[in-house]
Amino acid sequence: GQQLNQSPQSMFIQEGEDVSMNCTSSSIFNTWLWYKQEPGEGPVLLIALYKAGELTSNGRLTAQFGITRKDSFLNISASIPSDVGIYFCAGQLWGTYKYIFGTGTRLKVLA
Amino acid sequence: GAVVSQHPSRVICKSGTSVKIECRSLDFQATTMFWYRQFPKQSLMLMATSNEGSKATYEQGVEKDKFLINHASLTLSTLTVTSAHPEDSSFYICSAGLQGVTEAFFGQGTRLTVV
Repeated sequence: GQQLNQSPQSMFIQEGEDVSMNCTSSSIFNTWLWYKQEPGEGPVLLIALYKAGELTSNGRLTAQFGITRKDSFLNISASIPSDVGIYFCAGQLWGTYKYIFGTGTRLKVLA
Repeated sequence: GAVVSQHPSRVICKSGTSVKIECRSLDFQATTMFWYRQFPKQSLMLMATSNEGSKATYEQGVEKDKFLINHASLTLSTLTVTSAHPEDSSFYICSAGLQGVTEAFFGQGTRLTVV
């Protein structure tokens, strides 16, 4: 199945540090979404991006929709232990309701 | 945000039996529902897209006779894993979309173990 390239695959950081992760694709997307998933649970939406170049914040999270519509990044500032989890990007394929997920970034925060 | 409820959250079944998983949108009418499969430490892979009242569209490589999807109403879609085998053991997640809204809302997921 189709997937987005997401990096890094995993990160171990100290509490208080900033985090950055990104997704790239060869396809153009209509919408970019960022989700967080905790063990045994379904993904929870963090941020939705609708326009190329859009920069959106949700608390300590900031995400941007790349100008080419083929990439997006997510930043987390001043990380805390509860930020631990797997972060997925998801792109909505142009002209469809179909979403393709990134490979995930596994984040661990050391107190 | 909109609430999507998935049931059961965990199920263990014997090889050869069938298992039904339900996905309900609790406070909105979902014109489209998606079913995903997630293996341990991997991403979500789209299995199929279903629209209320019509046949599901399956992704390449997904057996439609094995993974039966029914979207009989605007609030309920079901996935039935028929003649389950141990390799079908996985985390199955549904999501629901609302027409005109681009975000998809996810259920809690169902962990299927086939023994």
